[in-house]
Amino acid sequence: EAEVAQSPRYKITEKSQAVAFWCDPISGHATLYWYRQILGQGPELLVQFQDESVVDDSQLPKDRFSAERLKGVDSTLKIQPAELGDSAMYLCASSLARDRGTAEAFFGQGTRLTVV
Amino acid sequence: GESVGLHLPTLSVQEGDNSIINCAYSNSASDYFIWYKQESGKGPQFIIDIRSNMDKRQGQRVTVLLNKTVKHLSLQIAATQPGDSAVYFCAETIYNQGGKLIFGQGTELSVKP
Repeated sequence: EAEVAQSPRYKITEKSQAVAFWCDPISGHATLYWYRQILGQGPELLVQFQDESVVDDSQLPKDRFSAERLKGVDSTLKIQPAELGDSAMYLCASSLARDRGTAEAFFGQGTRLTVV
Repeated sequence: GESVGLHLPTLSVQEGDNSIINCAYSNSASDYFIWYKQESGKGPQFIIDIRSNMDKRQGQRVTVLLNKTVKHLSLQIAATQPGDSAVYFCAETIYNQGGKLIFGQGTELSVKP
């Protein structure tokens, strides 16, 4: 069964260091999302791509976060410098084009980030 | 606003009983409503969705009901099993806002053997 792949699964980093997460969506999925989930809360969208273009990054803290999907396939989310408040689960999801009659988005296992 | 919230943070049921998880939403412009299941340390897993022009949809052991009059969504799980123990999130999506999912806070379902 096709899955959204994320790496690493866990990351511990010191405050002010740079950290990067990688996501490989399900083949053929044009839409890719990065979500952040704080423990006990629902995921919140950071950035959404349609192919290689950003369609929504309104909630992305652009002073420290950046995201790219250069070839419209895999994607990287970077934080520089990391802050203590960035500790969370970072989830990647992908879906078919939104006019396919379903809202189903497939999530990866996430990257658990701890900033110390 | 665009908030999606849940009535109960925790729900405990006996194995074999039916479970009902509720959700309130505020944006009547949403096109789809979706239920996700999230087990500890894993990403959310899609359960079922329902279009805004429907009021009921059934899947395997699950039924989603949508009441647009009171902006209420529910997930019914029949014959709840220990493997159903997880946090359940409702989410909504609005196509004219890019199709992003807006999640509520979640309800933790605990199934007692």
